[in-house]
Amino acid sequence: GQNIDQPTEMTATEGAIVQINCTYQTSGFNGLFWYQQHAGEAPTFLSYNVLDGLEEKGRFSSFLSRSKGYSYLLLKELQMKDSASYLCAVRAPGSGNTGKLIFGQGTTLQVKP
Amino acid sequence: DVKVTQSSRYLVKRTGEKVFLECVQDMDHENMFWYRQDPGLGLRLIYFSYDVKMKEKGDIPEGYSVSREKKERFSLILESASTNQTSMYLCASAGQEVTKNIQYFGAGTRLSVL
Repeated sequence: GQNIDQPTEMTATEGAIVQINCTYQTSGFNGLFWYQQHAGEAPTFLSYNVLDGLEEKGRFSSFLSRSKGYSYLLLKELQMKDSASYLCAVRAPGSGNTGKLIFGQGTTLQVKP
Repeated sequence: DVKVTQSSRYLVKRTGEKVFLECVQDMDHENMFWYRQDPGLGLRLIYFSYDVKMKEKGDIPEGYSVSREKKERFSLILESASTNQTSMYLCASAGQEVTKNIQYFGAGTRLSVL
């Protein structure tokens, strides 16, 4: 079966760096996504990893290790507006070109002054 | 920009009512999805559709049905609403890329069943 684990809640300080971890077990891996969701709003796409290594996009970076079934989202120079839920998702096995995903429960990040 | 529009942000219905949630996307995407989102449970897939009139059950289809008569519109139907269907409902759409196939989400409909 498929399983995705991420911490439920995290707290960090404005200006700091925070790392949100995600571990997954899936019968066939074909890509991992991170989404950001502010309270009461739609999830929005942040990053995509399919090969091992680090993908950097401004203050946000995402890392993948396929052999360990592990990813993390790194947020630098935290701002108050980064307070949100961060959703880790993997492509569903056999999803082909449907875009079907399996989501973790999400990590709620609170940034404090 | 991709736009996924859900017809209502908030709905209040009574137990036993038939409820329609509508979703429209403007990117000519083949794939559309309905999720419900509950605290501690994350996003759970109810149904998805990969083409007009085509649908597949997700992880929690019981108590729900869907309709996709036109490519841009995907409707979720609660035949007889129950209190345990009180939730946030999110619609999403995606294209047909085999690799990086991003799902784009609507703002959600918060449904309360009394």
